[in-house]
Amino acid sequence: GESVGLHLPTLSVQEGDNSIINCAYSNSASDYFIWYKQESGKGPQFIIDIRSNMDKRQGQRVTVLLNKTVKHLSLQIAATQPGDSAVYFCAENRAGGYNKLIFGAGTRLAVHP
Amino acid sequence: EAQVTQNPRYLITVTGKKLTVTCSQNMNHEYMSWYRQDPGLGLRQIYYSMNVEVTDKGDVPEGYKVSRKEKRNFPLILESPSPNQTSLYFCASSKGTSEETQYFGPGTRLLVL
Repeated sequence: GESVGLHLPTLSVQEGDNSIINCAYSNSASDYFIWYKQESGKGPQFIIDIRSNMDKRQGQRVTVLLNKTVKHLSLQIAATQPGDSAVYFCAENRAGGYNKLIFGAGTRLAVHP
Repeated sequence: EAQVTQNPRYLITVTGKKLTVTCSQNMNHEYMSWYRQDPGLGLRQIYYSMNVEVTDKGDVPEGYKVSRKEKRNFPLILESPSPNQTSLYFCASSKGTSEETQYFGPGTRLLVL
């Protein structure tokens, strides 16, 4: 298996429960945020994004919350399924520049039946 | 199918033997980028390209070269690989504006002996 997930914080949840993955970002000037999911042996896959003029955005079974005051981002997954097991990364895109993403270290989500 | 492809997926080489990892995208994206992923460090940007013949350094460019002669291709070149370049490498592309999601390739796992 992949070794990139070693030393990551892990969130363990039961199948069917809701999951909340948190992320603190570094730059108050960042204006665009993305959550990626990385399954073993694959590249990061886009889940959902949010712009800095919003504080909440919903997708299918996922919701992203943005708190600019404390520079905090969260990803909520409803009714977590075994297929949600992966490493989740938040990424911030600095304002006014090119498309450079700054990634967090990631959180491993383990879903137990 | 819209995708980013990388070759090879796995590579074992020896110190000092030049190698190239290819990256190609079929989405007509202007922006392309290379990242490396290491345990506990997340994804770090090596080089990026805003368009054909326009490239610039990311956060960890030492020991790497890139070229962008065509819009769809963005090869990563290691002129003289060293063991500290053992890593998992990802190519990504996006339309190019600061708020566009980057799409990632499947990754290339490199081991330098």
